[in-house]
Amino acid sequence: DSGVTQTPKHLITATGQRVTLRCSPRSGDLSVYWYQQSLDQGLQFLIQYYNGEERAKGNILERFSAQQFPDLHSELNLSSLELGDSALYFCASGRASEYEQYFGPGTRLTVT
Amino acid sequence: AQTVTQSQPEMSVQEAETVTLSCTYDTSESDYYLFWYKQPPSRQMILVIRQEAYKQQNATENRFSVNFQKAAKSFSLKISDSQLGDAAMYFCAYRPNSGNTPLVFGKGTRLSVIA
Repeated sequence: DSGVTQTPKHLITATGQRVTLRCSPRSGDLSVYWYQQSLDQGLQFLIQYYNGEERAKGNILERFSAQQFPDLHSELNLSSLELGDSALYFCASGRASEYEQYFGPGTRLTVT
Repeated sequence: AQTVTQSQPEMSVQEAETVTLSCTYDTSESDYYLFWYKQPPSRQMILVIRQEAYKQQNATENRFSVNFQKAAKSFSLKISDSQLGDAAMYFCAYRPNSGNTPLVFGKGTRLSVIA
């Protein structure tokens, strides 16, 4: 158990809809990262938050947004969903003093 | 931009044999980390082994070892005495050693273990 939790585990929704994925980082970790994994591909970095502030942006679509709250949990919002957004979305957390990022179990999103 | 390349989409190995998975990367940084992650059918990301770029000695974790060639920007994973439980996707990943930075992943290698 990495200590990172993600909800929900699975999400099935229709095109055009909006969903919110939630992540609670490991206790004490200030950084939260979001990654997208499509169809047995490698993980693509989407966005990073550090202590409530956006730290880095990767290949994140304009339809996607995220935030980190004062209790350090983070939410990834996906809107105007398309079939191609179907993927596994991972959250990871970490701290500057450690090399490792700790991954949550992922949320599998299916857009029909 | 940093990139990570895994040139073997699929590999197979006989149980108890040894297999090597390849990874190359491109970066202008001199201080960084390299990782191998395992993703079994459960989809959980499991850290297998890491290597700090400043260390010349290759990392080893039980049956897993790496061959780190910094000048060639190569980072291969050797699995010895392969077991059925080693069957999974394996991802090579990179991150610079500059505080909290995201990981850059390769596309992965699917390893099958034949009994």
